[in-house]
Amino acid sequence: SAVISQKPSRDICQRGTSLTIQCQVDSQVTMMFWYRQQPGQSLTLIATANQGSEATYESGFVIDKFPISRPNLTFSTLTVSNMSPEDSSIYLCSVIQGAGGELFFGEGSRLTVL
Amino acid sequence: LAKTTQPISMDSYEGQEVNITCSHNNIATNDYITWYQQFPSQGPRFIIQGYKTKVTNEVASLFIPADRKSSTLSLPRVSLSDTAVYYCLFKRGNRDDKIIFGKGTRLHILP
Repeated sequence: SAVISQKPSRDICQRGTSLTIQCQVDSQVTMMFWYRQQPGQSLTLIATANQGSEATYESGFVIDKFPISRPNLTFSTLTVSNMSPEDSSIYLCSVIQGAGGELFFGEGSRLTVL
Repeated sequence: LAKTTQPISMDSYEGQEVNITCSHNNIATNDYITWYQQFPSQGPRFIIQGYKTKVTNEVASLFIPADRKSSTLSLPRVSLSDTAVYYCLFKRGNRDDKIIFGKGTRLHILP
């Protein structure tokens, strides 16, 4: 199973600032996914990070707000730009691995925006 | 991707068998049914996956009728530590494709 490390694990940010979340996987993977989970809610897919091409964003999410980098097959970053309190969430990085195509998740990054 | 419908919440008692049913009327031919479990402050983790009939592993069983319009996750003899949110999802064939989460079922095990 994939081991996924996320940084930071939590942060408190001021309104209007930006924060970059890092995701490191212990093996090479084709696709990496970024999800957001607001308090008490299910997971919402933000985008799919593809190595060598631009990320594919889901409806309601735009590159200007959530720029994503994918410089190689083991690493990705998600930036939450110009943050507002509504961006307070847990942000989760995940990958698909294994014969059955299981999703593996990082431990998440809990952001609080004041 | 087809939409899934599952109960918002369920309560059960320790030692009981718990069955969580998921409806998916518009499941596609190449969709696999997959269940994930999420504990507080953790990312979801894979429990079980199946295409039809019955699948069993060390954690749970998954029952899928012939028409595949629903599926039932069965947890035998639950304990307090099985309190979690359980998500019924689709996996599109053998492709590494995005996975969309529904609302999930919040299972609360009582002593």
